[in-house]
Amino acid sequence: GESVGLHLPTLSVQEGDNSIINCAYSNSASDYFIWYKQESGKGPQFIIDIRSNMDKRQGQRVTVLLNKTVKHLSLQIAATQPGDSAVYFCAERPPSSNTGKLIFGQGTTLQVKP
Amino acid sequence: GAVVSQHPSWVICKSGTSVKIECRSLDFQATTMFWYRQFPKQSLMLMATSNEGSKATYEQGVEKDKFLINHASLTLSTLTVTSAHPEDSSFYICRIYRSSNTEAFFGQGTRLTVV
Repeated sequence: GESVGLHLPTLSVQEGDNSIINCAYSNSASDYFIWYKQESGKGPQFIIDIRSNMDKRQGQRVTVLLNKTVKHLSLQIAATQPGDSAVYFCAERPPSSNTGKLIFGQGTTLQVKP
Repeated sequence: GAVVSQHPSWVICKSGTSVKIECRSLDFQATTMFWYRQFPKQSLMLMATSNEGSKATYEQGVEKDKFLINHASLTLSTLTVTSAHPEDSSFYICRIYRSSNTEAFFGQGTRLTVV
């Protein structure tokens, strides 16, 4: 199956600071990447996506950076708020996937201290 | 955008019984849906790909006879956990795929507890 069965690492930040969440993806040929936010007891919520022909994409308070050389993805959250506390997952779409199949990364728990 | 409704949000059942979880696409005809399982403090693990009108495709290690998937219509996929055991207790989440839109949508999840 997909996914990594490890416990999630935790990032703790102060309210108002910027957060950077990192993710290493597995397939160098993956062409599409998504960041999701998951709050306790809920399904994942789409945050932002990026295609492999881009290296940066900005949304509202969030920025995703893609480094294909080292297969690394990062999510930057500006002025982190308590409501940002959640688990964040990156996901990649393998090139062979014509059905939208996604491989999920390990995930990071973000804790925002007031 | 598409909206996904997953039901029930939580269920407690006795060992040996079966539980059915529904995933509905409310405003979009979804030919493909995905079922995931998530254990506490872990990532999402893909169980199977549900295809409308055909058999589901299961990931390696997932027992198809235990986790029955039915995708009889373009708006509904069901996952039935048969003869549930305590180790099946988990968070089950569905996701719909829309080929014309690269965004993917998840259901709210179902917390299954087998006692």
